[in-house]
Amino acid sequence: QVQLQQSGPGLVKPSQTLSLTCAISGDSVSSNSAAWNWIRQSPSRGLEWLGRTYYRSKWYNDYAVSVKSRITINPDTSKNQFSLQLNSVTPEDTAVYYCAVTVPHLSGEPFGWFDPWGQGTLVTVSS
Amino acid sequence: NFMLTQPHSVSESPGKTVTISCTGSSGSIASNYVQWYQQRPGSAPTTVIYEDNQRPSGVPDRFSGSIDSSSNSASLTISGLKTEDEADYYCQSYDSSNHAVFGGGTQLTVL
Repeated sequence: QVQLQQSGPGLVKPSQTLSLTCAISGDSVSSNSAAWNWIRQSPSRGLEWLGRTYYRSKWYNDYAVSVKSRITINPDTSKNQFSLQLNSVTPEDTAVYYCAVTVPHLSGEPFGWFDPWGQGTLVTVSS
Repeated sequence: NFMLTQPHSVSESPGKTVTISCTGSSGSIASNYVQWYQQRPGSAPTTVIYEDNQRPSGVPDRFSGSIDSSSNSASLTISGLKTEDEADYYCQSYDSSNHAVFGGGTQLTVL
């Protein structure tokens, strides 16, 4: 059974970089069937998918258009985890951030449904 | 941009049946699977329906999902409502780039 444990600071200053980590147990970040996602939730934007990383003989990343210029999602195979970096944050980036694993509709596809999710991290962007 | 629209809130009495709709903005909602998530206050979402109408193990059969191509919408139906079903419910599907898209969420009140 996959479990995800998030860590990272809850307060980030404007213009700085938001960094979060999601530790995986019960599966491997290098799995050829899973994809590893970051999703955020705020009152103004609702649930918003940010991006994913996944391994299919090589590493792939997909990012939402809304954050594509500012986001990086990296796998860390040595620690079996993946991370989120969001640059040049503004108060609009204040949200609860979740990591989540994709259960694919078809074997090998990086999209499906999200199960499970991490516990969530409230990140506030404020000076 | 592909969008999913849900009613902001619904309410119903215990023991009754409620249906929550999720309407696609363009294309055919039937062209990609729809999922439904339940979120209680302070908790992460959990899956109640995946692939339009499939229930994960542990989700009671009071929860069911369907697709109506004529209205380009998906529906989540909860029968025999219990107070524990009170939560926010979100639909989710994918756009043409296979990027996940969520509905705005529906607050279910059981009173």
